[in-house]
Parts: sequence; structure tokens; C-alpha cells
Amino acid sequence: DVKVTQSSRYLVKRTGEKVFLECVQDMDHENMFWYRQDPGLGLRLIYFSYDVKMKEKGDIPEGYSVSREKKERFSLILESASTNQTSMYLCASSFGGGGTPYEQYFGPGTRLTVT
Amino acid sequence: DQQVKQNSPSLSVQEGRISILNCDYTNSMFDYFLWYKKYPAEGPTFLISISSIKDKNEDGRFTVFLNKSAKHLSLHIVPSQPGDSAVYFCDISGSRLTFGEGTQLTVNP
Repeated sequence: DVKVTQSSRYLVKRTGEKVFLECVQDMDHENMFWYRQDPGLGLRLIYFSYDVKMKEKGDIPEGYSVSREKKERFSLILESASTNQTSMYLCASSFGGGGTPYEQYFGPGTRLTVT
Repeated sequence: DQQVKQNSPSLSVQEGRISILNCDYTNSMFDYFLWYKKYPAEGPTFLISISSIKDKNEDGRFTVFLNKSAKHLSLHIVPSQPGDSAVYFCDISGSRLTFGEGTQLTVNP
């Protein structure tokens, strides 16, 4: 079974803090993604990566950065947390080829509250 | 410019009846269409998919229909069960990864 784990289920941070969200997958997937989920807005793509040290901006990258130093790990960084970054953050991974195209495996999510 | 829309934020059906969830998209360049299910406090899980060369794909109680001319995707669940109560997202994929807003399905016993 594919397993995608996220470092925290719940996190509370203060405005202006630097926040690190970690994601690890154990299936040697090439692709990894970070989304945020907000009511009425669905899943919005923040950043994604198709390979180690490679990153691409998604639809809402402002205020975020990412790091992928190893294939299994994809980190999301909030450089200076703001209250409008309070959200559910979901990490996902997928195969680069084979299997169902584009099928993603998601972690359980991190509920981040910025006060 | 929203490329994917799930126009019904919520849907309520009786156990045993059919549930129909809909998704509309604007860009005809998408080539793969997926549905995910999400329970509270869990990440989404893949449910069923269809490629653009097909118009129907079936997996047990779940069937996905694709109408390319109308740019419309639907998911049929029959018979619906209380355990199907969840948020359903359509994912229109290709060169971009685009999820809909989600539809909360409630199946009443």
C-alpha cells in the first residue's frame, strides 16, 4: 500500500513565523504535490515537483516555497505565516509513468491555524 | 478563470437510490478525468477514472460518464450506501492538474 505521511495533523503558529510542513512518500513516486483545501474552493495546487530538486508553481504559490532534496520528501515552507494561510494542507504523490495516469495518493492533511 | 466547476456543493439521496455528481470543464485539452472521495479528517482517495478516448467506465457501483462535446463529466453511484457519504472531487488532468470545488454527498439510511 502506498503511504503518504505528513509531519503534523494539527499545527498552530503565530503570524510572521516561518512554518515547515513535511511530506514523505514510501512508493518511489516521481511526482509530489502540495494543495490547500478551503471550504467552497476545493483543492488548489500550491506547488508540485516532478523530480528531485525540481519545482513548479501551481495556481497559488504566493507566500509559499518548497524544497525537494530527496525523492521521497517534499517540504512546504511558509516564509512568514499570515492568517489567510490558515487552511488544510494536503500533500500527494503519483507515479511518473504506468498505472492510472495522474492518479494521486494523498496524505491525511495538516490543519494549520495561524493566529 | 476557473477551468473546472462542480455546480452542486451538496447532494442528499436515500439509501439504495442513485447518486449523480456532475462536473463541467472548459478546456478541451484535458485527456484524463478522475474522481476522488474524501472523508472528514482524511486525505482524498482515488475512486475511478476515464480517459478522453472513452465515454464510460464502470467499477462496481461506480460509473463515470464523459461527454466531450458538452465538456461534462458525471459520476453515478448505484445503489447508494450510507458509507458513500463524503465529499467528491473531480480532477481534470492533463498538462495542468485541476480539481473541482467538491460536492458533499449525504446518503440517508
